[in-house]
Amino acid sequence: DGGITQSPKYLFRKEGQNVTLSCEQNLNHDAMYWYRQDPGQGLRLIYYSQIVNDFQKGDIAEGYSVSREKKESFPLTVTSAQKNPTAFYLCASNRDGTDTQYFGPGTRLTVL
Amino acid sequence: AQRVTQPEKLLSVFKGAPVELKCNYSYSGSPELFWYVQYSRQRLQLLLRHISRESIKGFTADLNKGETSFHLKKPFAQEEDSAMYYCALLQGAQKLVFGQGTRLTINP
Repeated sequence: DGGITQSPKYLFRKEGQNVTLSCEQNLNHDAMYWYRQDPGQGLRLIYYSQIVNDFQKGDIAEGYSVSREKKESFPLTVTSAQKNPTAFYLCASNRDGTDTQYFGPGTRLTVL
Repeated sequence: AQRVTQPEKLLSVFKGAPVELKCNYSYSGSPELFWYVQYSRQRLQLLLRHISRESIKGFTADLNKGETSFHLKKPFAQEEDSAMYYCALLQGAQKLVFGQGTRLTINP
């Protein structure tokens, strides 16, 4: 799991601003995922991508956008349309055909 | 709809006592279930999967299809077991559906 990095560790944003969270992996994994972690609600899937230049919405995609231009990178943009963006965001990846997901250290986003 | 339920948000037991973290699921098929763990200041990581039928760090979990449960058990809790535990269900080829999580605290 040391091959997945997320930056920044902490992020502060004013209401109405878009912000992009970085996720990079050097594990040569095909699939990448973004989750949102809130107390008492567990992890909820925002977006996932199984291959470069393709991605699918998860359970709570509204107000978020992603891109997958490179296999190693899967940035998440939290837009001003996301009504409650303050949360802990986790990125994960796994090799195609396997079920174990490896997680990054997370980014804590706070909207002021 | 596929769902994973962990009924206990918090669980506190004494060191040396048995521990059981409950997980129930709803799935219209043959489920594949996992337990993930997040220790303090560490990343979320896989603890065990039901297919492997393995014991990791003294923990075991048995899939009970009749009760649609996948409870995590350990006969003698240790202080280092204190962590956040998530039960997860494989949905489709690779997507995971997570439960709400249980924070386990082992008291000395």
